[in-house]
Amino acid sequence: KNQVEQSPQSLIILEGKNCTLQCNYTVSPFSNLRWYKQDTGRGPVSLTIMTFSENTKSNGRYTATLDADTKQSSLHITASQLSDSASYICVVRNSGGGADGLTFGKGTHLIIQP
Amino acid sequence: DAGVIQSPRHEVTEMGQEVTLRCKPISGHNSLFWYRQTMMRGLELLIYFNNNVPIDDSGMPEDRFSAKMPNASFSTLKIQPSEPRDSAVYFCASSLKQGVFGLAGVGSYNEQFFGPGTRLTVL
Repeated sequence: KNQVEQSPQSLIILEGKNCTLQCNYTVSPFSNLRWYKQDTGRGPVSLTIMTFSENTKSNGRYTATLDADTKQSSLHITASQLSDSASYICVVRNSGGGADGLTFGKGTHLIIQP
Repeated sequence: DAGVIQSPRHEVTEMGQEVTLRCKPISGHNSLFWYRQTMMRGLELLIYFNNNVPIDDSGMPEDRFSAKMPNASFSTLKIQPSEPRDSAVYFCASSLKQGVFGLAGVGSYNEQFFGPGTRLTVL
């Protein structure tokens, strides 16, 4: 069964600090992995997408990594800002399945404190 | 483009009433998705359409739920009769479904664009 597990469930850090969110998946065959940011009261917005051949990709202060061998991805946030407070959802696409091939993690709820 | 538009943004109703949620996808997108989000279960796909045709409705919880897409610019999700356990945020998303090397480029990979959601409370 395709699954996406995210950790931690929630995280509180001080403004300016770095943090790393984890995503482990069992989706197969793997196509790509996407990180979404969901602000409170809004829909998810894509931050970055990782394909099989990519190990690291950055989007401003966000850096995503992918290890396709261990089926793990991480999202690293550098010099956190109050606006980073949100839920971060990991979504993995398989290359063969129905439902548009997507499996969603339950997300990590990140709170940045001043 | 205004993005995906959903209405209403908030809905409070009593158990047993019919609820209709509406969605206008991004112009030009050919796939539309309905999701339900709760704290306990996260985002769950209910149903998705491709070119206005329902492709997978295996996520629809019960016969009380139904969805239609009469044309490329409009979709509804109906719950009849509603129950308190239906309380959740319902999201609509749209995407341009194409091959890996489609017109939008290798990097598009069918990104889904989400609407702001409808927060449904069933009393």
